[in-house]
Formats: sequence, structure tokens, C-alpha cells
Amino acid sequence: GAVVSQHPSRVICKSGTSVKIECRSLDFQATTMFWYRQFPKQSLMLMATSNEGSKATYEQGVEKDKFLINHASLTLSTLTVTSAHPEDSSFYICSASTGQSSYNEQFFGPGTRLTVL
Amino acid sequence: GQNIDQPTEMTATEGAIVQINCTYQTSGFNGLFWYQQHAGEAPTFLSYNVLDGLEEKGRFSSFLSRSKGYSYLLLKELQMKDSASYLCAVLDSNYQLIWGAGTKLIIKP
Repeated sequence: GAVVSQHPSRVICKSGTSVKIECRSLDFQATTMFWYRQFPKQSLMLMATSNEGSKATYEQGVEKDKFLINHASLTLSTLTVTSAHPEDSSFYICSASTGQSSYNEQFFGPGTRLTVL
Repeated sequence: GQNIDQPTEMTATEGAIVQINCTYQTSGFNGLFWYQQHAGEAPTFLSYNVLDGLEEKGRFSSFLSRSKGYSYLLLKELQMKDSASYLCAVLDSNYQLIWGAGTKLIIKP
């Protein structure tokens, strides 16, 4: 149990385009979903926390208008990278939790590797 | 500030034992997690410690000392598939996860 999927697993796009990444909890209801970014040889960096039906809480330094997060249901959250640029190339990982905070164990999706040309 | 320290890289031999240390300084403490992350993949949960002591789970054990701000992950009977990065993360007083940079473990035959 506790499976989280992400789609797509890999995406290559041109600079200036927008990319949407989906995160789904397949066999449980995720009250809270987290979006992380990981650059090569670095640790996970939390971008934002989203609770179903409410606006996402963004970490300091993360542009809300550039990284749009929608958590429309208890099983789906989306991250849209708007007007992507090469510096946005990274490994984006979502995780889902059944708790309101990250107290409960987070279950991670397989990640999406974004390459912006 | 909040800080998680763990070695950048460690090397061990197949069949041996390795201990990966993690020290932390955070605003409050609500538990410590260890995750395993293979290259190009997302992290997978290994352990959660909130009380002092040793938690054993098969070949993996995790130890916590809250007074020392210290934890270690012990891997026994190492297998080649254990080659991965091991991430230490602490849940602070706001229930936010603070992540370490990870320890890359290289297993040699």
C-alpha cells in the first residue's frame, strides 16, 4: 500500500514553455502533498506544501507565480512550471501524507526529471 | 539556524557492516527519519526514531540520542544493492522536515 505515482517521469521542453507534473496517491487519501526539487548531488529542497482544497504554502525563495500548485482532490496534486528556463532543469519529487503536517510518514513518488533546453 | 550534518560519502565492502552518522541542530525535535535514495529515484522510507535508543529492522538499525543531537544508521551484511544515498531528516517543532545532504554509500565487492 501507500503508492504514489508521478507523471511524466521524464520531460524535455523548450525554454519559455510550461510543463505540468501530476502526483497521485493510488491507494490512500493524501490530506497533504509536498513538492520537492533536487539538483544533482544535493539534498531534497522543499518547494511547497499543499492541503486538499486550500492554497499551497510556499517555502521562502520559491516563486508562487512560476510554480503553480493545485491540490484539487485527496488523490491528485499538480505542479505547473510556467515559462520554464534552463535553470529550472531539475528532479522534481512529490510526496504524500495522510496527516496535516509532515508528522506522518511521507510516501514519495518516483520523481520527474525536467530538462529545459 | 537549522543544520543536519552527515558524511558526504562512505565506502564499504560487501558483507561488512557500515555506520552512517547524522548530527542535527534544529528548532525543536519531533523525530528523525532515515531514507534510502538510489540514483535517479525518489527516496524510500527506512526508519523513524523519536525516542532514544536502537530500533532494529532486519539488516538495518537506527539509533537516536536526543541529548546529543545524534543518530546513526547501521547496515549489516552489506549487499551491492545497498549502494545508494542515505538521507537523514529531522522533524522540527513546526513539524517541518529538515533534510541532510545525504551520504553516498559505495559498496565494493
